[in-house]
Amino acid sequence: RKEVEQDPGPFNVPEGATVAFNCTYSNSASQSFFWYRQDCRKEPKLLMSVYSSGNEDGRFTAQLNRASQYISLLIRDSKLSDSATYLCVVRTGGFKTIFGAGTRLFVKA
Amino acid sequence: DVKVTQSSRYLVKRTGEKVFLECVQDMDHENMFWYRQDPGLGLRLIYFSYDVKMKEKGDIPEGYSVSREKKERFSLILESASTNQTSMYLCASRSGQSAYEQYFGPGTRLTVT
Repeated sequence: RKEVEQDPGPFNVPEGATVAFNCTYSNSASQSFFWYRQDCRKEPKLLMSVYSSGNEDGRFTAQLNRASQYISLLIRDSKLSDSATYLCVVRTGGFKTIFGAGTRLFVKA
Repeated sequence: DVKVTQSSRYLVKRTGEKVFLECVQDMDHENMFWYRQDPGLGLRLIYFSYDVKMKEKGDIPEGYSVSREKKERFSLILESASTNQTSMYLCASRSGQSAYEQYFGPGTRLTVT
């Protein structure tokens, strides 16, 4: 079993749609959680950190469920520019950082 | 603006050649990392360094070595390149605390023929 698992997709959605991604992690000692975005042929960049109480940044909402060991990302009112691969990232303190393989999103006009 | 740069965007080498990939960061970060990214496998950690001259093996260190002589520079070395090392190589740096963001370089697409 992978330490961090994501549905690879692709998710194909129309503009304006709401889309949600989930990510599960296996290590209950994990401490920090992030979503990164990676555009085609580009490097990953931080989209948002994920806090225990859940957090929102504009159209993006991230949630953490420690009991079930998953994190989620909700994108509302999808834009064409949201098309990218979304990486779930879990850090188990210190230097151990695990990246999920990513979920591909295509937003179509 | 934070910056991580890598010496080459694209590189083609022959089997058996020694390959050097250079990474430089200008953020005075303590921690630097080398990853490779392959389709369906995500990013896998090769080596990391938490201080000058310090290095630690990641998940897939076989066939690689690293060097960190200065804080801003972290080099990845393929002693004898093989075709299964064809991949995208990404360097990253991060400040000391675990909750901090990792900043990535643009990547080097290495092809070994």
